[in-house]
Amino acid sequence: DIQLTQSPSFLSASVGDRVTITCRASQAIYNSYLAWYQQKPGKAPDLLIYGASILQSGVPSRFSGSGSGTKFTLTINNLQPEDFATYYCQQLNSLPRTFGGGTEVEIK
Amino acid sequence: QVQLVQSGAEVKRPGASVKVSCKASGYTFAPYYIHWVRLAPGRGPEWMGWVIPRNGDTKYAPKFQGRVTMTRDTSINTAFLELTRLTPDDTAVYYCARGVLKEGGWPSLDPWGQGTLVTVSS
Repeated sequence: DIQLTQSPSFLSASVGDRVTITCRASQAIYNSYLAWYQQKPGKAPDLLIYGASILQSGVPSRFSGSGSGTKFTLTINNLQPEDFATYYCQQLNSLPRTFGGGTEVEIK
Repeated sequence: QVQLVQSGAEVKRPGASVKVSCKASGYTFAPYYIHWVRLAPGRGPEWMGWVIPRNGDTKYAPKFQGRVTMTRDTSINTAFLELTRLTPDDTAVYYCARGVLKEGGWPSLDPWGQGTLVTVSS
């Protein structure tokens, strides 16, 4: 199984900050088959990014994704109040599909 | 719009089974895989498997093999997850999600159902 390790697991940030979340894989994820999801309390996860760097339709351009192989990052520029949530990466390269443990972004 | 609506919360005793439904609307049900993912307090999401509505084929995560059954009823555009021999460790929110290939062939899960809380307690 491909293990995904997200860091940090928790971060405290202010509106307007730039934050970066890292997702490291135990094996290379080919074809950049990596997605990022955002989950707000009491809600289902929403797709943010697929193909490691492609924004889902409707997602603000302050979100961006990058990376390949075993290291991927999600960056949020100019953090907005509605961005405070938990973020998960998922690999869709091999079975079983696996997720990172999550990064909770809290208001400082 | 594309939507997945799940059945309501369940409370079960250890050793019991639970069956969760996921009704699809707003798109053609058959071609799109339905994945099941659970999220327990303090743990990251766990992928449980998928069912292919077109033919009923399934793929399960090894952790759940032998305890999980995923089925579908195309006449009502609904997928089902059944989990047996429940323990308190199975307490979680269970989600269904549609597997899609975005333009360019990129796989992802979109959208997700609203989630079903399953509580296992004596």
